[in-house]
Amino acid sequence: GNSVTQMEGPVTLSEEAFLTINCTYTATGYPSLFWYVQYPGEGLQLLLKATKADDKGSNKGFEATYRKETTSFHLEKGSVQVSDSAVYFCALSDSARQLTFGSGTQLTVLP
Amino acid sequence: KAGVTQTPRYLIKTRGQQVTLSCSPISGHRSVSWYQQTPGQGLQFLFEYFSETQRNKGNFPGRFSGRQFSNSRSEMNVSTLELGDSALYLCASTDGGLEGPDTQYFGPGTRLTVL
Repeated sequence: GNSVTQMEGPVTLSEEAFLTINCTYTATGYPSLFWYVQYPGEGLQLLLKATKADDKGSNKGFEATYRKETTSFHLEKGSVQVSDSAVYFCALSDSARQLTFGSGTQLTVLP
Repeated sequence: KAGVTQTPRYLIKTRGQQVTLSCSPISGHRSVSWYQQTPGQGLQFLFEYFSETQRNKGNFPGRFSGRQFSNSRSEMNVSTLELGDSALYLCASTDGGLEGPDTQYFGPGTRLTVL
């Protein structure tokens, strides 16, 4: 079956530091890949997505590239802000339209 | 457009009771999916409805059920509640394209506590 493995947290960074959260996946076929973010007490917000190999998703300074050869979709941001503190989830969706999530990575950004 | 709405936002029930949660999708979206989020198991898929029909189901016991109405609003029901059912229940909607995956947009969730 499908699975998503995410970098274990928590991750603590200083403001303006570079962020990488690793994500690898196992799936049959050609899934779409997503990053969602969850702020305390809220639901999931779509951060970015990529639907085919070599696609790059980007939003709010965050980027991730769909790498089929390494089955990865790592999240990066060049300069994090305190407001980026949240839990980040990597997910995949296959033809069954069912999202499979990673375990989530708690990010804390200190001023 | 208004986002996905879920009611109620918080619920407290006791073991053995049943509960019904409601979800209104984004206007024009025909597919609604439900997920359970717990600290131990993370985010797990419950089921998906499209045009009032269940299209896909996750690995949950029969105590968990759902339905979708003609206006695409969906409800999920949990009968004979157990302590382990305490979780955040998230609803997501898409426009339900029949050709492959779509982006799912999530509501704020219903926090269920079972005492």
